[in-house]
Amino acid sequence: KAGVTQTPRYLIKTRGQQVTLSCSPISGHRSVSWYQQTPGQGLQFLFEYFSETQRNKGNFPGRFSGRQFSNSRSEMNVSTLELGDSALYLCASSLAPRASGPTDTQYFGPGTRLTVL
Amino acid sequence: QKEVEQDPGPLSVPEGAIVSLNCTYSNSAFQYFMWYRQYSRKGPELLMYTYSSGNKEDGRFTAQVDKSSKYISLFIRDSQPSDSATYLCAMSARDTGRRALTFGSGTRLQVQP
Repeated sequence: KAGVTQTPRYLIKTRGQQVTLSCSPISGHRSVSWYQQTPGQGLQFLFEYFSETQRNKGNFPGRFSGRQFSNSRSEMNVSTLELGDSALYLCASSLAPRASGPTDTQYFGPGTRLTVL
Repeated sequence: QKEVEQDPGPLSVPEGAIVSLNCTYSNSAFQYFMWYRQYSRKGPELLMYTYSSGNKEDGRFTAQVDKSSKYISLFIRDSQPSDSATYLCAMSARDTGRRALTFGSGTRLQVQP
């Protein structure tokens, strides 16, 4: 079974621009979560989507947004990029048999490395 | 203070050594505990998943959870150079609807051949 895929793998943007990252979950997985990883803050939860609805949101500004499509694929968008947004953005998918429930195993993609100049 | 504390290392051991990696946490609602391994420039890979207190073994890896002390450990037996990576502990609460992981900062492990 193919794993979680993320595109693009690398991105370079300048301050003020916006960016869209894409994630394709493992086939059959219904929940997609996004995380930001930086050397200073480590891995931090951004948001989670299930059945095209945002279920949970981490402590990030409104410049960070996302969506999920009917085939469970997800995108995240960062508007008005800042230097501090440079990070590895990781997507994780899980089976999630129900809309809400305890965390089941999350499988991570390779990430998109975003550099903001 | 962070909810999950993890010694960043680096931890350097000779091949064949037993490695002990640890995390402490402050949120008593955490019920699910995981260990991930992350190689440079890769996404985290799940190693172990445990629920509540106790031990779980999988090959050379053993995970321990002590909820009374809010302390979790990962032991690696017969460590190999291929085990050189960053090890991240992660946990989540039982409250329904919150499918989000809180991570430790990661411990960098180097196994010397």
